[in-house]
Amino acid sequence: AQSVTQLDSHVSVSEGTPVLLRCNYSSSYSPSLFWYVQHPNKGLQLLLKYTSAATLVKGINGFEAEFKKSETSFHLTKPSAHMSDAAEYFCVSSGGGTSYGKLTFGQGTILTVHP
Amino acid sequence: DTEVTQTPKHLVMGMTNKKSLKCEQHMGHRAMYWYKQKAKKPPELMFVYSYEKLSINESVPSRFSPECPNSSLLNLHLHALQPEDSALYLCASSPVRDRSYEQYFGPGTRLTVT
Repeated sequence: AQSVTQLDSHVSVSEGTPVLLRCNYSSSYSPSLFWYVQHPNKGLQLLLKYTSAATLVKGINGFEAEFKKSETSFHLTKPSAHMSDAAEYFCVSSGGGTSYGKLTFGQGTILTVHP
Repeated sequence: DTEVTQTPKHLVMGMTNKKSLKCEQHMGHRAMYWYKQKAKKPPELMFVYSYEKLSINESVPSRFSPECPNSSLLNLHLHALQPEDSALYLCASSPVRDRSYEQYFGPGTRLTVT
């Protein structure tokens, strides 16, 4: 079975400061991992994905994430927050075996950006 | 075109009504998904279609009836819903049903059952 834990339900930063959203995963095989962002009353937009290629993954809007197998982590970072980054972020893993293609979502982290 | 479209954007229906949600993609994807999302929660998978065949039903009540008429279109037929079914319904697609592919999500239909 796989699981995803987002370590913070809320993160608050000031505009222009770094963003760190933490995610740990549990999987019995090498997972595919994704970060999605959801703005209020909108669908989910893919920020980036890891599928066993480079461990440092660059995404859209200046976000990146590093896959660390030894720590079972896939934290999302951005050097400088923008007001438009305020949204909910989901760390997601994708299943294998009989669950192939099924997504396992973390509980989400709400990012607030203060001026 | 990397867009998944959903109609309608908003739907209000009574418990005795029958309505349908529609999802469309023109990316040539052969896997399509329905999710239900309650406020402040992550999406929950309802159904998966792979090559127009239903491959996963996550024990969804029969008042929700999915249909995949062709490879571009996915419908969700609603009948005799309950107020607790009020939620954001999201459609997604991926090239195939495989863990290495990301899913592309539509904007969702906000459903209110009165």
